[in-house]
Amino acid sequence: SQQGEEDPQALSIQEGENATMNCSYKTSINNLQWYRQNSGRGLVHLILIRSNEREKHSGRLRVTLDTSKKSSSLLITASRAADTASYFCATDSSNTGKLIFGQGTTLQVKP
Amino acid sequence: NAGVTQTPKFQVLKTGQSMTLQCAQDMNHEYMSWYRQDPGMGLRLIHYSVGAGITDQGEVPNGYNVSRSTTEDFPLRLLSAAPSQTSVYFCASRGNRGAGELFFGEGSRLTVL
Repeated sequence: SQQGEEDPQALSIQEGENATMNCSYKTSINNLQWYRQNSGRGLVHLILIRSNEREKHSGRLRVTLDTSKKSSSLLITASRAADTASYFCATDSSNTGKLIFGQGTTLQVKP
Repeated sequence: NAGVTQTPKFQVLKTGQSMTLQCAQDMNHEYMSWYRQDPGMGLRLIHYSVGAGITDQGEVPNGYNVSRSTTEDFPLRLLSAAPSQTSVYFCASRGNRGAGELFFGEGSRLTVL
């Protein structure tokens, strides 16, 4: 079974608004990563947060991690139409380095 | 720098046929992996490898074989294709097996009739 569960499955907002996506997982992790996938393309890495970190920023992205609740959130501030894509969380739980992905959140940003 | 290259991009097979999806990376990455992506299912790990000569099963390995004879290449073989294997397949690699980002190919779309 998949490690990550993402919420919501789909999100539609207006340009300029903030978008928040959540990810819950089941087992302890070494790190959690977020990826973006544009339609018909491969996934692109956005940000990695380690298990001993609580918050991380990268440009307009803010990721939080709560290991006690086994959850993470991705916030995209001041969204743009170009942010329209699917976003996936992935957890790294074992020393082999394999990543297990969630089902993803589809974000639509309307201009 | 090409990154991760997958071929073919599109393939149509008949049930029972065999084929190999090719994956090559030019970043000298130790770790390589194959995922399949189906609507509503996200990405599911099929097989992975932490170095040449070493492979292991992921979440959905049945019906697929892999080998890793070189650092650069990680082919995925379907020995007897089934309609349930209709999917988009992604190859991904990373340099540090303990942590770090995955680099993805552009995907191979397979249809099994």
